[in-house]
Amino acid sequence: EVQLVESGGGLVKSGGSLRLSCAVSGITFSDAWMSWVRQGPGQGLEWVGRIKSKGSGGTTDYAAPVKGRFTISRDDSKSTLYLQMNSLESEDTAIYYCTWHYYDSSGYHYIGYWGQGTQVTVSS
Amino acid sequence: DIQMTQSPSTLSASVGDRVTITCRASQSVNNWLAWYQQKPGKAPKLLIYKTSSLGSGVPSRFSGSGSGTEFTLTISSLQPDDFATYYCQQYNSYFTFGGGTKVEIK
Repeated sequence: EVQLVESGGGLVKSGGSLRLSCAVSGITFSDAWMSWVRQGPGQGLEWVGRIKSKGSGGTTDYAAPVKGRFTISRDDSKSTLYLQMNSLESEDTAIYYCTWHYYDSSGYHYIGYWGQGTQVTVSS
Repeated sequence: DIQMTQSPSTLSASVGDRVTITCRASQSVNNWLAWYQQKPGKAPKLLIYKTSSLGSGVPSRFSGSGSGTEFTLTISSLQPDDFATYYCQQYNSYFTFGGGTKVEIK
């Protein structure tokens, strides 16, 4: 059974930092491309960024609102994904979901599986 | 950046109704379009990928169609379990989600 379990959320002051973790089981994590997606209170879904597998270069890409402030990393030995969030703003208040990419023969990746999310609240 | 626009934002329907949700992209995303269902307090769940391919375990009453910049999600006969919010997502260039369509009970 695939499991994505986020942790590390909580209340932080504006300008502060927080690191989220996502423990992954049930898949070969080292082969996985992963993304973080967030959802503000009563809002829709917003892609935060992704990390490719090391076999695909291990590179990261970020959405404009978080670029330069957030960093995605992975520890394949621990099957764990991370999201380091710095210079947090009230607009970053959201549920943060860890997601696993599926892909088909075309090579295009899409989100196939979601964790249950962790709440991050930034107070001003 | 590719923008995704869903309509309507809210839809009131009854059990047994045929329901259609539209998603428009600001530029062509080819067929790289997915749909997700989200229930209150839960994580989204994949319904459809590559415009019209059903995700694992997804009932056949769900279907997707379209190409380029215009796409639709259709529920052929709405069931009680289908009252939820639906999101489209393009994956032609990174990921962008539509604003969501809430399907509520009429």
